Parts: sequence; C-alpha cells; structure tokens
Amino acid sequence: DTAVSQTPKYLVTQMGNDKSIKCEQNLGHDTMYWYKQDSKKFLKIMFSYNNKELIINETVPNRFSPKSPDKAHLNLHINSLELGDSAVYFCASSDRATNEKLFFGSGTQLSVL
Amino acid sequence: GENVEQHPSTLSVQEGDSAVIKCTYSDSASNYFPWYKQELGKGPQLIIDIRSNVGEKKDQRIAVTLNKTAKHFSLHITETQPEDSAVYFCAAFKAAGNKLTFGGGTRVLVKP
Repeated sequence: DTAVSQTPKYLVTQMGNDKSIKCEQNLGHDTMYWYKQDSKKFLKIMFSYNNKELIINETVPNRFSPKSPDKAHLNLHINSLELGDSAVYFCASSDRATNEKLFFGSGTQLSVL
Repeated sequence: GENVEQHPSTLSVQEGDSAVIKCTYSDSASNYFPWYKQELGKGPQLIIDIRSNVGEKKDQRIAVTLNKTAKHFSLHITETQPEDSAVYFCAAFKAAGNKLTFGGGTRVLVKP
C-alpha cells in the first residue's frame, strides 16, 4: 500500500493552461504539505494544511490554490501556468504528534512549454 | 527565518570509503534535525534524525552528530555501497511555526 500517493507522475502542458495535482495519504495523518523542488534539487515548502485548515502559506503566487476536501486529501490547482512553474512538486504528510517527521509522495514532474 | 546551509553539493566516493555531509543552521530555537535520502524518481525518505538534547546517534552504517553550540550537524556514512548513491538533505525543525527547513542537498555518488 502506498502511504502518500500523488497523481499524475508527469504533467506536460502549455503556458497559460490550468492544471491540478492530486494527493492522498492513507496514514491517518492530520497535516499535509506541498513542496516544490527546482532543477537544482532545492526543496521549498509551499503550503501546509492541518485537518483541512491552511496553516502555512509561503509567499506563493495566488495562481496556486491548494484545496483540502478532507484530512486525507490535499490537491494543488495551478492557474495560468508559467515557464517558471516547471519543477517537481511533492506532497507530504505528518502526524500531529510527530509533526517534524514527513512522509513524501513520489512527486509530480511538471513541465510547462 | 531559519537558514540551513549544506556542504558539499556533490560528493563522489569509492565503494567502501566513508562519506560525510555537513550542515549549519541559523536559528538556535530549532530542536530537531532529520536527514532525508532521495533516490532517483522518488520522494525524500527519512533515514535518521537527532534531537537537540542528543550529541550523536547511530543506526548501522549511518550516524549523525550535532554541535548545538556551533549550530553544526553532520551525516556520516561508513562502508559506502552503490545503493547509497542518492541526494541527501539535511533539515532543521522549529516547533514554533511548525516548519521544517531543508538544506540545498548533496548528491552522493558511490563508485564501484
């Protein structure tokens, strides 16, 4: 069983399009995250949700809108895609009791042409 | 905010040799320091961690050390094997703000 699963694994799209990435975790965790990994492998947090409530929003353009329908799901919708959005996006989750230990999904490689 | 610096950015070692990766952090309030391993095409995976009240921790061939005064922590891999080839990330966690800040990563290549 995959603990944190995200789809799709690869996403190739044109500039200006709108796209979504889905994430689900079956670990029973309360907190979920989106991280962006650029071409130099640098990992930067974008958002954090605890029990469907936004708790971290790191100066991310408002073209990026996370949505958490329940605590097991955190989706990422991106409007008006730009070339600079090309990166690998990782979903992660953590348990409230040990919030510092993150469990990552396998990533979505987004390429904007 | 917290700033985590990681060195070197790439490290090539011969199989069987040791590998050492060093990190420094800026915020003395950080109290938890995990290390993640990211294999090609996968997400980062926690491999070992250390809390600020401990100076050293070992798990088989990997060990971490923490110097709280100097705000340094290091990952040591002994008897490296080809499957140790990956990108390694250090991180620092501060409970206030509930935020994990990652270092820039080290690409380790173990040559057979």
